[in-house]
Amino acid sequence: AQSVTQLGSHVSVSEGALVLLRCNYSSSVPPYLFWYVQYPNQGLQLLLKYTSAATLVKGINGFEAEFKKSETSFHLTKPSAHMSDAAEYFCAVSDRVGTSYGKLTFGQGTILTVHP
Amino acid sequence: DAGVIQSPRHEVTEMGQEVTLRCKPISGHNSLFWYRQTMMRGLELLIYFNNNVPIDDSGMPEDRFSAKMPNASFSTLKIQPSEPRDSAVYFCASSLGTETGELFFGEGSRLTVL
Repeated sequence: AQSVTQLGSHVSVSEGALVLLRCNYSSSVPPYLFWYVQYPNQGLQLLLKYTSAATLVKGINGFEAEFKKSETSFHLTKPSAHMSDAAEYFCAVSDRVGTSYGKLTFGQGTILTVHP
Repeated sequence: DAGVIQSPRHEVTEMGQEVTLRCKPISGHNSLFWYRQTMMRGLELLIYFNNNVPIDDSGMPEDRFSAKMPNASFSTLKIQPSEPRDSAVYFCASSLGTETGELFFGEGSRLTVL
């Protein structure tokens, strides 16, 4: 079964600093990987996804992630944090064993705090 | 365009009462997912449907939980009887059902069982 592990349940950065949120995956087949963001009292929304094309994926709001097969990682980065980036971020992997129907398995989430 | 619509947004009930959560997926989407989110357990997939047929309900905690999808535009998640440990935010999400497709989430139903 595929799974993802997010390292660090809380990350705190200063406004303007680099954001790095870590995600490692485990998969017996080439994975499809996603990052979602959840703002307070809202549902999750897609930031970006990797589906075996370019290994560096750009998403909304200036975020990007790089798929590294050798490290089984898919870390999320943003060069300069903004106060509006404060949210919870989830890494997810698509179930590619059999017919998935779009099922995703999510990591435990990382809460990003941005200090002025 | 309307997104995934869930109701109620908030529900407070007493232990032992029946709770019904409702979801209207995005038109044209053929997969529907029910997730539960708690501080302790994070996001858990409870059950999902494809073309109105339940595919995997192995995440449903116990027999007190049931879900139906009578047609392509409506699904319910029922808890009977409810218990305090069921308190959580329940999300419905829909997608086109492909392994690269985006899940679109509703705003969630926050359930508190006293």
